[in-house]
Amino acid sequence: QKEVEQDPGPLSVPEGAIVSLNCTYSNSAFQYFMWYRQYSRKGPELLMYTYSSGNKEDGRFTAQVDKSSKYISLFIRDSQPSDSATYLCAMSNFSGGYQKVTFGIGTKLQVIP
Amino acid sequence: DAEITQSPRHKITETGRQVTLACHQTWNHNNMFWYRQDLGHGLRLIHYSYGVQDTNKGEVSDGYSVSRSNTEDLPLTLESAASSQTSVYFCASSRGSAVQFFGPGTRLTVL
Repeated sequence: QKEVEQDPGPLSVPEGAIVSLNCTYSNSAFQYFMWYRQYSRKGPELLMYTYSSGNKEDGRFTAQVDKSSKYISLFIRDSQPSDSATYLCAMSNFSGGYQKVTFGIGTKLQVIP
Repeated sequence: DAEITQSPRHKITETGRQVTLACHQTWNHNNMFWYRQDLGHGLRLIHYSYGVQDTNKGEVSDGYSVSRSNTEDLPLTLESAASSQTSVYFCASSRGSAVQFFGPGTRLTVL
């Protein structure tokens, strides 16, 4: 079993829909939780990060962390075609002398006009 | 604006050749990382550095080496390129926390 599980999709939604992207994890030591957006043939771009549990909102994006369930989510409101990309979750804990980051394989999202 | 640049952006080489991929950051971050990204595997850590003269192996380091002679640069060398090393390579940096910032990537093909 992978430490971080993420459905690769693809996920297709109509423009304006609310999108829910999720990851589950098995390592209870994870402390930082991040979401990256990756457009085709580009590098991952940091969207949001949270430390420990709770919610964080930034414009149309909301990140949630539920440590009791080992589950994190990214919600996108009023989705736009420009949101079409692959979304990577990432989680981190201090292990072996460094801040180890484990990435999900990414969920490909397509927002259809 | 601060950024990370990678060069070349695309590279085709032959099996057995030595290849060096460049990474340069102007964030003044101490920590730098190299990842490879393959379908079905996501991002996997190759090597990382926490400062000048510091280098460490990641989970897929066999066949790769790095050196850190200054804060800005962390070149990745493939000693003898193999077809299994065909991949997209990303460099990243961070100040001290887990949050990393990525470069645009280098697409490497080994024939």
